[in-house]
Amino acid sequence: NAGVTQTPKFRVLKTGQSMTLLCAQDMNHEYMYWYRQDPGMGLRLIHYSVGEGTTAKGEVPDGYNVSRLKKQNFLLGLESAAPSQTSVYFCASSYSTRRYEQYFGPGTRLTVT
Amino acid sequence: KQEVTQIPAALSVPEGENLVLNCSFTDSAIYNLQWFRQDPGKGLTSLLLIQSSQREQTSGRLNASLDKSSGRSTLYIAASQPGDSATYLCAVIVNAGNMLTFGGGTRLMVKP
Repeated sequence: NAGVTQTPKFRVLKTGQSMTLLCAQDMNHEYMYWYRQDPGMGLRLIHYSVGEGTTAKGEVPDGYNVSRLKKQNFLLGLESAAPSQTSVYFCASSYSTRRYEQYFGPGTRLTVT
Repeated sequence: KQEVTQIPAALSVPEGENLVLNCSFTDSAIYNLQWFRQDPGKGLTSLLLIQSSQREQTSGRLNASLDKSSGRSTLYIAASQPGDSATYLCAVIVNAGNMLTFGGGTRLMVKP
């Protein structure tokens, strides 16, 4: 099992450009999450999904969109990148209830200049 | 709004020492609490998950306790080793949500 994988590992964008981050999991998990980690702010939830075709907003959703077309994949989109979106982005997944632990991917380091 | 605090922010100890990391949360209506380890430039690795009905969980040299009424959890590391050097994060899920709320972490350095 590869667990949770993220693509790409690093990316540099110019302000206004768009990109999509891909998260994939091979554990048949229902729940998937996108977090960002910033110095001094800790980890914060951007969006999450409780199943294929469903998404919901987290704590800091502005400027991001997500899609869950397949159970194993969760995409995070930045339509018009801003320097404030410079961060490390983590994807996580878990089984169908909150009772189970979340498993994290290795992260994507994004810099917006 | 749930707030999670971890004290100390950084800790340096000699190898072999037993140590305790602290986590406190403001809303005691939690569903579970999870401890993670994060190595520099890496993702998070789950260490222990404590359900709200449990008082503690153990894995090898790690023992995590939970006192919901006082809003506290501790992670006890026995016989620390240089390989334990990392940032340790605690996170909680409240009863009414699906969101993990994280503490700021404790950066641990174990010196040989």
